[in-house]
Amino acid sequence: DVKVTQSSRYLVKRTGEKVFLECVQDMDHENMFWYRQDPGLGLRLIYFSYDVKMKEKGDIPEGYSVSREKKERFSLILESASTNQTSMYLCASSLYHRETGELFFGEGSRLTVL
Amino acid sequence: EDQVTQSPEALRLQEGESSSLNCSYTVSGLRGLFWYRQDPGKGPEFLFTLYSAGEEKEKERLKATLTKKESFLHITAPKPEDSATYLCAVQAGSTSYGKLTFGQGTILTVHP
Repeated sequence: DVKVTQSSRYLVKRTGEKVFLECVQDMDHENMFWYRQDPGLGLRLIYFSYDVKMKEKGDIPEGYSVSREKKERFSLILESASTNQTSMYLCASSLYHRETGELFFGEGSRLTVL
Repeated sequence: EDQVTQSPEALRLQEGESSSLNCSYTVSGLRGLFWYRQDPGKGPEFLFTLYSAGEEKEKERLKATLTKKESFLHITAPKPEDSATYLCAVQAGSTSYGKLTFGQGTILTVHP
């Protein structure tokens, strides 16, 4: 079975802290994505990566960075967390194919910034 | 800018009461339209891909259809276990690598 695993389901952090969200997939997928999901706003793409060490900005990259050192792992970094980054963060992966929108999602990481 | 609008925001049905969810989209060259199901506290789960107007896909009680401007997710004789948020997403012709634009979702509640 396809699996995308996010390391933390729930996190509580203080304003200004550096936050790491980790995501691992076991499907040998080339593409990996980080979305955030907020009520009334839906899923919004933060960053995506189509290969190791490659990254592209999504629609809302401000305040975030990413790292992809290995094919199976994609990390989202909040350099200095702020309260407006309180959200559900979803990692996803897919095969490297321009036509496919079949994303496999993890269960999400709910981050609260106080 | 690609846009996806889903309606209604929430839908409450009795078990067995068939209905449809709507997804209207504006995109520069549709490459694909996708439906996902999301249960509370979980990530979205892929349901269907539709590529061209007139295409239909079915899975159990769900049928997805596509026109040039919108897609419908028809639910026939729903059961309480169909309760979930249903998300629609599009991939534009100008994008690559599976980059999708999502709608806000329709929260479906099916009462026994």
